[in-house]
Amino acid sequence: SQTIHQWPATLVQPVGSPLSLECTVEGTSNPNLYWYRQAAGRGLQLLFYSVGIGQISSEVPQNLSASRPQDRQFILSSKKLLLSDSGFYLCAWSAGPTLRSEAFFGQGTRLTVV
Amino acid sequence: QKEVEQDPGPLSVPEGAIVSLNCTYSNSAFQYFMWYRQYSRKGPELLMYTYSSGNKEDGRFTAQVDKSSKYISLFIRDSQPSDSATYLCATFKAAGNKLTFGGGTRVLVKP
Repeated sequence: SQTIHQWPATLVQPVGSPLSLECTVEGTSNPNLYWYRQAAGRGLQLLFYSVGIGQISSEVPQNLSASRPQDRQFILSSKKLLLSDSGFYLCAWSAGPTLRSEAFFGQGTRLTVV
Repeated sequence: QKEVEQDPGPLSVPEGAIVSLNCTYSNSAFQYFMWYRQYSRKGPELLMYTYSSGNKEDGRFTAQVDKSSKYISLFIRDSQPSDSATYLCATFKAAGNKLTFGGGTRVLVKP
């Protein structure tokens, strides 16, 4: 069965510090990978998605970047965090372009920038 | 205008009542529709998935799609306190890889 791992679960970082969140998927190959951000009391905002190694699409201009160094690894990064980067970050995967491409989510990382 | 609109709530109902949740979308290219449930501090989990207009039932849950009106609904019968969560609708296009989410509706079922 497929599983998705996302860590850390909670992170408190000072303004201006770097960020690296990692997500890995097991039990599937060539997944679509996503990074979402969810602000308090709000819905999911798609930040990045990737259909393959080294292929990253950015949905919104921001202080963050994403990389996919391996087929089942997706990394969210920032060189210098801003207060506005605080939020709940979710990694997700879906199967390739099939009819039933529902997304499966990790447990999320709660990032607080202080 | 957001592509998928959803009332944020909160929606408070007594235990045993029917919960009615709705989303509207603006792009007729959206053809697949889903409902996710998200408990506090957890990732969303898929509840229902549907493609065609009409109703789809799964236990106490019924998903309804009206493509002519660009309107999707989720009904929860005999609601339980454990149904208290945020419910997110999501949709994607036939050939797309990207899910578009509504903002989520927070539901509180009171015992």
